[in-house]
Amino acid sequence: GENVEQHPSTLSVQEGDSAVIKCTYSDSASNYFPWYKQELGKGPQLIIDIRSNVGEKKDQRIAVTLNKTAKHFSLHITETQPEDSAVYFCAPDRGDDKIIFGKGTRLHILP
Amino acid sequence: DTAVSQTPKYLVTQMGNDKSIKCEQNLGHDTMYWYKQDSKKFLKIMFSYNNKELIINETVPNRFSPKSPDKAHLNLHINSLELGDSAVYFCASSQDKLGYTFGSGTRLTVV
Repeated sequence: GENVEQHPSTLSVQEGDSAVIKCTYSDSASNYFPWYKQELGKGPQLIIDIRSNVGEKKDQRIAVTLNKTAKHFSLHITETQPEDSAVYFCAPDRGDDKIIFGKGTRLHILP
Repeated sequence: DTAVSQTPKYLVTQMGNDKSIKCEQNLGHDTMYWYKQDSKKFLKIMFSYNNKELIINETVPNRFSPKSPDKAHLNLHINSLELGDSAVYFCASSQDKLGYTFGSGTRLTVV
């Protein structure tokens, strides 16, 4: 089965600096690579995703990069703000509803 | 205009009871899901369901059963509740199995 690992498990970043979270996976059939953000007391929210035929995608301050050969994809957040503090999950998907979420990365934005 | 709504938000009940959590989505998505999030924030899929197919995570006890009266609803019934069932349960939906929209969660506490 799919093995999904996220690193780091906790990340503290000074406000204004950048944050990078990496997700490695084992199933080469994975072809859809989303990132979710979960704020306290809320459900996870899809913030950015990428398909296997694209290497990078940007949406304002967030970006996702994919290295399919190495089987990892990363979430990049630039110019971090207090509202970026949350838990972030990756969930590589091969489209068969047997999705395994990463264990999450708790991001703290320091004032 | 909540896209995926689940009720109740909090549920406290005694061991051995039977309870239900309701979920509705107004996005017209074709597939609905139930996820369990434990105290360490790990997200695990329990069920996925569309009009044609119910996929059950084999680790889910048969005390848990999803029931879908129509395409927009997927309720979760739990029989003979145990202490270990305490968790946050999330309903979600997706279209063409790409990207989930999650509800805000139901915090179940079994005492």
